[in-house]
Amino acid sequence: DVKVTQSSRYLVKRTGEKVFLECVQDMDHENMFWYRQDPGLGLRLIYFSYDVKMKEKGDIPEGYSVSREKKERFSLILESASTNQTSMYLCASSSSTGLVHGYTFGSGTRLTVV
Amino acid sequence: GQQLNQSPQSMFIQEGEDVSMNCTSSSIFNTWLWYKQDPGEGPVLLIALYKAGELTSNGRLTAQFGITRKDSFLNISASIPSDVGIYFCAGQRTGANSKLTFGKGITLSVRP
Repeated sequence: DVKVTQSSRYLVKRTGEKVFLECVQDMDHENMFWYRQDPGLGLRLIYFSYDVKMKEKGDIPEGYSVSREKKERFSLILESASTNQTSMYLCASSSSTGLVHGYTFGSGTRLTVV
Repeated sequence: GQQLNQSPQSMFIQEGEDVSMNCTSSSIFNTWLWYKQDPGEGPVLLIALYKAGELTSNGRLTAQFGITRKDSFLNISASIPSDVGIYFCAGQRTGANSKLTFGKGITLSVRP
C-alpha cells in the first residue's frame, strides 16, 4: 500500500525553538506539499515542491522554510516556533504523470508551541 | 488563494439518513475530488471525477461532476456512525503540476 509517512504524530515545542517536521513518501512522486489545518480555515498551503531541490511558496509561507534534498523526503522547518504556529500539519504528495488522482496525504503532525 | 465553497461548516444527521453535500466554484475545474478526514488522521480520497456530468459511486457514496464544471456534489446514503469526519471537496485544472484547490470542509456528525 502506498504511503506518505510523517515522522511524528504529536509534538510539543517551546517558543523560539527550531522545529523540523519530516515527511517521506514511497510512491516515487514528483510533487510534495505541506499544509496546515486550523478549525474553520480549512487546508492552507505553506510550501510545495515539484522536484528535488525545488521549492515554491504557497499561500502562507511566512515563518516557514522547506528542504527537499531527496525525491522521497520533504521537510518543513519552523525557524523560530511561535504560539500561532500551533496547528495540525499535513504533508501530501502527487504524481506528475498519468491520470490525475489528486494527493495522497500523511496522517498529520499535531504541533503545540508553548 | 482561492477556495471552493462548501457550506454549512457542520452537519448533524441521524443514523440511517441520507446526506448531500455541495461544492461550488466561480471558475472551471477539469477534475473534482472528494476526501474524507477521520478525526486525528489525514484526508483520504473517496471519489475522483474526470468528466463533466460524470456520476460515480463507491459503496454508499455517490458523487457527480457538474455539467458546468463549476460544481460537484457528494451523497452519502444510509449513514452509519463511522461516516463522521470532515468531508473536503477539491478541484484541479489541467496540467501535470496543477495544484488542488480545496473547500474548507464540512464536519459531519451522525447521531446513533
